[in-house]
Amino acid sequence: DIQMTQSPSSLSASVGDRVTITCQASQDVTNFLNWFQQKPGKAPQLLIYDVFNLGKGVPSRFSGSGSGTHFTFTISSLQPEDVATYFCQQYDYVPYTFGQGTKLEI
Amino acid sequence: QVQLVQSGSELKKPGASVKVSCEASGYSFSDYALNWVRQAPGQGLEWMGWINTNTGNPTYAQGFRGRFVFSLDTSVRTAYLQMSNLKADDTAVYYCARAGIMGAPGAFDIWGQGTTVTVSS
Repeated sequence: DIQMTQSPSSLSASVGDRVTITCQASQDVTNFLNWFQQKPGKAPQLLIYDVFNLGKGVPSRFSGSGSGTHFTFTISSLQPEDVATYFCQQYDYVPYTFGQGTKLEI
Repeated sequence: QVQLVQSGSELKKPGASVKVSCEASGYSFSDYALNWVRQAPGQGLEWMGWINTNTGNPTYAQGFRGRFVFSLDTSVRTAYLQMSNLKADDTAVYYCARAGIMGAPGAFDIWGQGTTVTVSS
């Protein structure tokens, strides 16, 4: 299985900060890399698909980049409602696999 | 409104079976595959597999072959996850999720609210 390793595992930042999370794949996953946000007690929400494409209705402060095995997720200006856990996911190989999550606090 | 609505929480004893439902509305049911994702308490997300809502053909991730069955009832736009011989390790929230972006089968754009299954004696 493809291992997805996120860093950091947790992060504390202030409102207005630029926040970056990285995701490393154990093998090349081309551009089949998504990012999800999960708020406590809620289902995950798709934020970014195929590395850099914003999901429907997702604010433009969220962005993604990368290719191959190294990917980056960025929040350009952190908002209070961004408190959540963020997961990367590859779907180049079955089984689709997720990173362990990055818990973001303010 | 496009949504997936799942059945309610379940409390089961080890060895029992359970069937979780996922009812779709607001879109053409057979146009998009449905996936199942498990999240154990305090843990990350684990993809269980998917079902082709056109053909009914299921695909299971390695660790979910045998005791887990995906099925459909297209007449009521509903997908099901049946789990048998439940173990304490099966305690988790189970999500259905639509692969709703053309050309991106792993991009789960709509999720059910989750069904908590607790296995305890």
